[in-house]
Amino acid sequence: DSGVTQTPKHLITATGQRVTLRCSPRSGDLSVYWYQQSLDQGLQFLIQYYNGEERAKGNILERFSAQQFPDLHSELNLSSLELGDSALYFCASSTGQGGGKFNEQFFGPGTRLTVL
Amino acid sequence: DAKTTQPPSMDCAEGRAANLPCNHSTISGNEYVYWYRQIHSQGPQYIIHGLKNNETNEMASLIITEDRKSSTLILPHATLRDTAVYYCIVKAGGGNKLTFGTGTQLKVEL
Repeated sequence: DSGVTQTPKHLITATGQRVTLRCSPRSGDLSVYWYQQSLDQGLQFLIQYYNGEERAKGNILERFSAQQFPDLHSELNLSSLELGDSALYFCASSTGQGGGKFNEQFFGPGTRLTVL
Repeated sequence: DAKTTQPPSMDCAEGRAANLPCNHSTISGNEYVYWYRQIHSQGPQYIIHGLKNNETNEMASLIITEDRKSSTLILPHATLRDTAVYYCIVKAGGGNKLTFGTGTQLKVEL
């Protein structure tokens, strides 16, 4: 158990819909990262937040957005869903913001999103 | 971040050492070698990392060649629970994101 929690575990929805994935980082961790894992693209970094502020951005679509709240939990919002958005979405957390000294990323169990 | 090359799959007998190679010939001086693994769609798990010296922890050993162009992750006594996809990642120490390649599917068998 990494200490990172994600809800829900599974989500089934239809094209065009909007969903919200939730992540609670390990106690004390200030950084939250979101990754997408699909069959054709592998594990891809989407976005990172550090203490409430966006810190790094990867291959995140404009239809996707994220935020980190004062209690440090994070939500990933996916809208206008397409079949190709079906994937595993992982959240990870780390102590620092990723710069300088190594900060191991601890991954949650993931949310499996199925778009029908 | 430098690109890495790993064999797509490897087999290992339980109890034997598993040696997983990684090629990173374009690695630059400030880039570290990290290893993560993912057991059957679970979240990836950190294993070990290093810059130029060999490293060992309770999970594994990391051997980095002197020219730093390749490395080997060693699981000294592989068990069935070590069956997973192993990712070798090269990243600058100050970088944020992890860039995962296709990894090596390690299958540990009786």
